[in-house]
Amino acid sequence: ELKVEQNPLFLSMQEGKNYTIYCNYSTTSDRLYWYRQDPGKSLESLFVLLSNGAVKQEGRLMASLDTKARLSTLHITAAVHDLSATYFCAVDESYNTDKLIFGTGTRLQVFP
Amino acid sequence: DTAVSQTPKYLVTQMGNDKSIKCEQNLGHDTMYWYKQDSKKFLKIMFSYNNKELIINETVPNRFSPKSPDKAHLNLHINSLELGDSAVYFCASSQTGGRNEKLFFGSGTQLSVL
Repeated sequence: ELKVEQNPLFLSMQEGKNYTIYCNYSTTSDRLYWYRQDPGKSLESLFVLLSNGAVKQEGRLMASLDTKARLSTLHITAAVHDLSATYFCAVDESYNTDKLIFGTGTRLQVFP
Repeated sequence: DTAVSQTPKYLVTQMGNDKSIKCEQNLGHDTMYWYKQDSKKFLKIMFSYNNKELIINETVPNRFSPKSPDKAHLNLHINSLELGDSAVYFCASSQTGGRNEKLFFGSGTQLSVL
């Protein structure tokens, strides 16, 4: 059974600092997603990573995928308060069923 | 225009009642899902339908019954509600078959069972 783990679970960081969120998964998969959820809101898709070595960047966020290590990272550069949210990675358990297994989520708080 | 809309946004009810949550998507997607998010924010898939056909049915109590009248709608009916059913339920949709498809989520229905 596919397991997806994120760390840290909670991250409090100062504006302007850099940090990385890690997402490990237990079995082979060819698709990994990152989502953002603001408190009391829905989930918003950030990145879709489809191959080993894939790297995608949007603003201060950059996501990468290492399928051999079964690891994805979400790097935050020069954090700002607006990035405060919960970030989820999700891994496709099977290409044919589109069954996404979500990680535990990382709650990020950025303070001045 | 809301891409994936679900109603109601909040649902407060007594134990033992039966309730329904409705979901509609206007994206033309062929697959729809129900996810449950518990109080610890953990998200777990419950069901998925592709063109009105049940594809994924996780180990969910029989009290939960999804119904898809057409590929743009996926409703969730819950019988004999229990305290443990309290959670946020998210509907989502995607277009399967491509490599880059992602899920589009509704705004969630917060269910509180008293």
